[in-house]
Amino acid sequence: RKEVEQDPGPFNVPEGATVAFNCTYSNSASQSFFWYRQDCRKEPKLLMSVYSSGNEDGRFTAQLNRASQYISLLIRDSKLSDSATYLCVVIPGNTPLVFGKGTRLSVIA
Amino acid sequence: GAVVSQHPSWVICKSGTSVKIECRSLDFQATTMFWYRQFPKQSLMLMATSNEGSKATYEQGVEKDKFLINHASLTLSTLTVTSAHPEDSSFYICSARVPQGIYEQYFGPGTRLTVT
Repeated sequence: RKEVEQDPGPFNVPEGATVAFNCTYSNSASQSFFWYRQDCRKEPKLLMSVYSSGNEDGRFTAQLNRASQYISLLIRDSKLSDSATYLCVVIPGNTPLVFGKGTRLSVIA
Repeated sequence: GAVVSQHPSWVICKSGTSVKIECRSLDFQATTMFWYRQFPKQSLMLMATSNEGSKATYEQGVEKDKFLINHASLTLSTLTVTSAHPEDSSFYICSARVPQGIYEQYFGPGTRLTVT
């Protein structure tokens, strides 16, 4: 099983839609979890950290399920500017980030 | 979030030459920085972990004599691609880890290397 797995997509959704991505991880000792966003030909940018209690930032909600070893990202009221690749990132310990391959989202007018 | 700069943002060089890329953490001290490479439509691949004051740790399959890493200070790490070949053409991205809390990492804007 790969360390971090994501559905590569693409997810093509209309503006205003709600879309959710899941990501599973294999190392049960993982401590920290993040969602990054990467635009074409750009560097990844931290979107949000994922806390055990879940967290929300505007239209974005992240959840962590340790028992099932997955994290999720929910985007409400999708905007055209949300089109990007969303990377699930896990830190197994005090080690480098482990990236998923990313899920591509296209928001269509 | 924290700011990481990278220079140059793009470079074109001839086969056989060496290219140095700088990565700086601008508003925090980073004892650990990371170097990644990304080919078109591929995911980020970790090349090496750069530790201030000690030797870098290279991932399997990455030639340490070809990709020289120097982490000379708490805010600067450099990657030198020696004797570059066309297959080294890629997008090189550094990141720096915030040294406390939940170890968030911030990325530099990347360097697009083209070897002709």
